[in-house]
Amino acid sequence: DAKTTQPNSMESNEEEPVHLPCNHSTISGTDYIHWYRQLPSQGPEYVIHGLTSNVNNRMASLAIAEDRKSSTLILHRATLRDAAVYYCILRDLTTSGTYKYIFGTGTRLKVLA
Amino acid sequence: DTEVTQTPKHLVMGMTNKKSLKCEQHMGHRAMYWYKQKAKKPPELMFVYSYEKLSINESVPSRFSPECPNSSLLNLHLHALQPEDSALYLCASSQDARGETYEQYFGPGTRLTVT
Repeated sequence: DAKTTQPNSMESNEEEPVHLPCNHSTISGTDYIHWYRQLPSQGPEYVIHGLTSNVNNRMASLAIAEDRKSSTLILHRATLRDAAVYYCILRDLTTSGTYKYIFGTGTRLKVLA
Repeated sequence: DTEVTQTPKHLVMGMTNKKSLKCEQHMGHRAMYWYKQKAKKPPELMFVYSYEKLSINESVPSRFSPECPNSSLLNLHLHALQPEDSALYLCASSQDARGETYEQYFGPGTRLTVT
């Protein structure tokens, strides 16, 4: 079962910031929060990940709530190329010592010109 | 080179056919994954190979048979599929399946249609 919940869809105007929320109320103290996005007709691609403190990279920022039960992916200036499905993901550690992704349902982001 | 390649891009097969999907990466990654994705749904994990050994099988029907001939290659052999198996099949790789933070690199997928 998915460990994360996200809104099904969001819209944003081009050149404006976008805040994509994710709830993960059952997160454990050692779970990292991962974000991937899937552009049309492509496989998912890595966006960002974090554990406790806020994270920034060239693609986005990740703001993690103090209780870690929610997080927000921030695209600072949305472009038309950012239109994609954004997945918030936690991992499961299996008995074999292997991690596996548990994808949430994702948020389909539409960017308006 | 951070690319994962998958062949073929599209595949149409009958329920009695035998076919194979192929995946390749040259990043030196030791973990490789097969996912199945139905339309407008998130990817679902099928298999994980770690150091060329099958580490996870998510109770996938035996008509799907994975194979990892070496650390760069991953195959998915298909036999006697059903129409409901039609989906996008994604391959991914990561540096190691045992690391919490290793990102996965996904290929573009093979669009499979079973008639």
